Amino acid sequence: EVQVVESGGGLIQPGGSLRLSCAASGFNVRSNYMSWVRQAAGKGLEWVSVVHRDGSTYYAESVKGRFTISRDNSANTVFLQMNSLRGEDTAIYYCAREYYYDRRGYPSSMDVWGRGTTVTVSS
Amino acid sequence: SSELTQDPSVSVALGQTVKITCQGDSLRTFFASWYQQKSGQAPVLFIYGNNNRPSGIPDRFSGSSSGDTASLTITGAQAEDEADYYCNSRDVSGYHMVFGGGTRLTVL
Repeated sequence: EVQVVESGGGLIQPGGSLRLSCAASGFNVRSNYMSWVRQAAGKGLEWVSVVHRDGSTYYAESVKGRFTISRDNSANTVFLQMNSLRGEDTAIYYCAREYYYDRRGYPSSMDVWGRGTTVTVSS
Repeated sequence: SSELTQDPSVSVALGQTVKITCQGDSLRTFFASWYQQKSGQAPVLFIYGNNNRPSGIPDRFSGSSSGDTASLTITGAQAEDEADYYCNSRDVSGYHMVFGGGTRLTVL
């Protein structure tokens, strides 16, 4: 079965750090674009970061310089290192696989989502 | 622009047809996808590549796209279709995805 499972969320003080994990099964993370998406309570979905198949990484402006996405191919796991956390980073963080490629080789959608892990930044 | 714009809320009478729209410059270049999210649950992919349904998605859901606007149509809305619907596409750069603000569908 193709699935991803997130872990690592929790309660953290402002300025602190957390490392989220996304363990994949049924497919290889190194062969796919893998994204993190977050959702604050009562708000919409916000794309956070992506790691491409070639290892290139991109970030939303709101997290650039504070968050780092990486992957461990041997563990088939994607990580999101979150530093200098702020109250506005409080959200459910979802890991998702990007899939269904268009003619130019870009994935067009996110077809596999985890249940999410909750990050609460508060003193 | 990297933004996708959706109406915040839409309502439909039970059994009727409703269209949810998504507008943005990136839709002129990249495919749209649609996700359904029910309260307390993760999003689920309902439409990809503008108009394709993944396995298991009811055929009353359909998608289309023209110019800078993509649409999700539900033909014969059911009570269980009441949910939040999000569109997404790649950013105009192609490097990453972007989401619309979401549309809350109410089935009356």
